[in-house]
Amino acid sequence: GDSVTQMEGPVTLSEEAFLTINCTYTATGYPSLFWYVQYPGEGLQLLLKATKADDKGSNKGFEATYRKETTSFHLEKGSVQVSDSAVYFCALSAPSGAGSYQLTFGKGTKLSVIP
Amino acid sequence: NAGVTQTPKFQVLKTGQSMTLQCAQDMNHNSMYWYRQDPGMGLRLIYYSASEGTTDKGEVPNGYNVSRLNKREFSLRLESAAPSQTSVYFCASRRGRGENPSYEQYFGPGTRLTVT
Repeated sequence: GDSVTQMEGPVTLSEEAFLTINCTYTATGYPSLFWYVQYPGEGLQLLLKATKADDKGSNKGFEATYRKETTSFHLEKGSVQVSDSAVYFCALSAPSGAGSYQLTFGKGTKLSVIP
Repeated sequence: NAGVTQTPKFQVLKTGQSMTLQCAQDMNHNSMYWYRQDPGMGLRLIYYSASEGTTDKGEVPNGYNVSRLNKREFSLRLESAAPSQTSVYFCASRRGRGENPSYEQYFGPGTRLTVT
């Protein structure tokens, strides 16, 4: 079945450091790929997405490129801020048997940014 | 727009008690989902509804039932709560059904449930 593997945390960085969170996936067909972010005490919200090979999703300084050849969708940010402290989830969207689409999530990576 | 709303925010149950978690969305979305989030496990799908009147099991449906009351509302019921159901529960919605995998899901704020 479909699966998503992302690097385990927690990750602790100093403000203005470079961030990479690795994500690889296994899927039949051609999934769409997502990064969601969860701030403390809140639900998940979409950070960025990509729908086809070589697409780059970007938002709030974060970027990720859909790499079909390596089945990867790594999240990067050039200079993190304290406000980026959160849990980040990589996910893929694939069709279910009931005519809808389901998200398959990685286990999440907790990021803490210290001043 | 309120987006996806969930009630209650917190709940403590004793083993064997029942309760219903409520979810509503005001975005006219067709698909709705229930997930549970446990430490180190990510989010796991419990049940989903691709459209009003239909529901299907996800990865971890045992011990739960759902009702798609109308297009807006999708409830999750625990008939006889167990400590293993202690978790944070999230409802989500998504526009469309099977026509486009790129549509994202929108999540509610969650219900933190403790079963003692």
